[in-house]
Amino acid sequence: AQKVTQAQTEISVVEKEDVTLDCVYETRDTTYYLFWYKQPPSGELVFLIRRNSFDEQNEISGRYSWNFQKSTSSFNFTITASQVVDSAVYFCALSDDYGQNFVFGPGTRLSVLP
Amino acid sequence: EPEVTQTPSHQVTQMGQEVILRCVPISNHLYFYWYRQILGQKVEFLVSFYNNEISEKSEIFDDQFSVERPDGSNFTLKIRSTKLEDSAMYFCASSGYSGSQETQYFGPGTRLLVL
Repeated sequence: AQKVTQAQTEISVVEKEDVTLDCVYETRDTTYYLFWYKQPPSGELVFLIRRNSFDEQNEISGRYSWNFQKSTSSFNFTITASQVVDSAVYFCALSDDYGQNFVFGPGTRLSVLP
Repeated sequence: EPEVTQTPSHQVTQMGQEVILRCVPISNHLYFYWYRQILGQKVEFLVSFYNNEISEKSEIFDDQFSVERPDGSNFTLKIRSTKLEDSAMYFCASSGYSGSQETQYFGPGTRLLVL
């Protein structure tokens, strides 16, 4: 069965600090997709990234970066120089190659303090 | 920038009633999705839709749920006989390519309250 664990329930940092959100997944599939989503206090969902299991290259997008380690079944998300607007709940998710068994983690609530 | 829209933003209904939640995906997108989020809990996948048919669905998406793309622009989620536990925020999404990266775009959600 697919499973996503986000062990950090809540994290608080001070603005400009770097912060890493952990995501560990379980799957028996050889091909799968990993995702990160952001849900700010206003409640909407924002897609951040989709990563195929065959692509282990780290991804950087502005202040965001993702570290995919297949050996440890982790897909961690780092925000560099955090800002107050980064305050949100961040969800990691996993799906199989066909988009079935789409599972979200419980989310990590990030608070960035001024 | 194109966006996914959802109506209504809020809906209150009595248990046992049918509700239809409406979504207008981004026009050139081919994949559509419904998710729900019970208050304070994680997001749950309900169903994905491609080429006018369901491509995947979760265990939550039982016979009480159905989806339709009735007119080529709207994408609807119907709950036939609502239960108290259907109270949640329902998000619609569509996906397409932004450059070489497939990207999902979410609507603002419909908050459903079943009394």
